[in-house]
Amino acid sequence: QKEVEQNSGPLSVPEGAIASLNCTYSDRGSQSFFWYRQYSGKSPELIMSIYSNGDKEDGRFTAQLNKASQYVSLLIRDSQPSDSATYLCAKAAGNKLTFGGGTRVLVKP
Amino acid sequence: EPEVTQTPSHQVTQMGQEVILRCVPISNHLYFYWYRQILGQKVEFLVSFYNNEISEKSEIFDDQFSVERPDGSNFTLKIRSTKLEDSAMYFCASSLVGGPTEAFFGQGTRLTVV
Repeated sequence: QKEVEQNSGPLSVPEGAIASLNCTYSDRGSQSFFWYRQYSGKSPELIMSIYSNGDKEDGRFTAQLNKASQYVSLLIRDSQPSDSATYLCAKAAGNKLTFGGGTRVLVKP
Repeated sequence: EPEVTQTPSHQVTQMGQEVILRCVPISNHLYFYWYRQILGQKVEFLVSFYNNEISEKSEIFDDQFSVERPDGSNFTLKIRSTKLEDSAMYFCASSLVGGPTEAFFGQGTRLTVV
């Protein structure tokens, strides 16, 4: 079983709509999770961190964590063409991040 | 805004040659990392470094790899004898504290081994 799993997509979203991305993980002991955005050929850019169950909002982004069900999600409200990228879910263990394969999001004008 | 900087942005090397990838972490950060991403694949952890020593490394980080902080600002990754399969994007990252905390990535060095 992969440690961090994401649907590879692409997730096609109309401009202005909500994009919903999901991530599941296998280690029930994992405590800390991160969402990164990666444009093609570029480096991962940190969007949000989430450490406790529930929702965390930052601007147009909301991260949700459910440790009992072992999933993390990211909502992007009012999606813009500039949000078109691959979104990476990562869990932290010790001093390392373990990444999922990413979900490619396409926002269509 | 402080950022992690990496040089060079692209390096081409012949198989069997040694390469050194360089990174300047964010100035007040204490933990440094190297990750790599083979084209079309996941970002993979290589090594973490704190207080002038390796704190954690992955199975990928074998004897051909080494890291060093030669001075107060630089952090380097050396690959001793490059192989074709070392071709990848190498990312340096840094964080203020260790453990499960936010890490910030540099723009990457694309290494091509021919």
